[in-house]
Amino acid sequence: DGGITQSPKYLFRKEGQNVTLSCEQNLNHDAMYWYRQDPGQGLRLIYYSQIVNDFQKGDIAEGYSVSREKKESFPLTVTSAQKNPTAFYLCASSHTGGNGYTFGSGTRLTVV
Amino acid sequence: AQSVTQPDIHITVSEGASLELRCNYSYGATPYLFWYVQSPGQGLQLLLKYFSGDTLVQGIKGFEAEFKRSQSSFNLRKPSVHWSDAAEYFCAVGSPSGGYQKVTFGTGTKLQVIP
Repeated sequence: DGGITQSPKYLFRKEGQNVTLSCEQNLNHDAMYWYRQDPGQGLRLIYYSQIVNDFQKGDIAEGYSVSREKKESFPLTVTSAQKNPTAFYLCASSHTGGNGYTFGSGTRLTVV
Repeated sequence: AQSVTQPDIHITVSEGASLELRCNYSYGATPYLFWYVQSPGQGLQLLLKYFSGDTLVQGIKGFEAEFKRSQSSFNLRKPSVHWSDAAEYFCAVGSPSGGYQKVTFGTGTKLQVIP
């Protein structure tokens, strides 16, 4: 079945360390997105990518980096520069146009 | 800039009762509108979407929503709520921007269902 796989589901990081969250899709979607979700704040866009080897900053890109070397994959790195990284991270993908997003099941990152 | 307001942070309904979740949007043209549902610790699932045409949209799990341009609203409804409907619901407004959909999400409404 087609879908989006995010891994790991839970991730713990020590302060000062970088960590990479995985996102893979087999839906043949062109566009992929990373969102951060905090209680009471809805979803905030971190980065998005329309095509391979191209990506743009969203509303809260500081302290994060991404790559898009393959159509299927859009990993997110949370760097030590991100001041408050503890959150639930959601990856999504879509066709170009307006069909809505397909979401992964999320990764909960906790800084210890 | 587009925006979405969900005025109710938390709603409690009895099982079997009807449900209406409110959503107001701000957008300069005819928007794309979506409702998503999220169970705890999970991703979001698309319930329904409106792009154009009939203003009453049917979705999965017995949900429907009505687009009212004059009120800038896209409220979600269900005639009879089941305990399994307890979740958080997000309204979203989108616009095509080149090859990418710019989608803005509301802050969510958490639904509690009591027996």
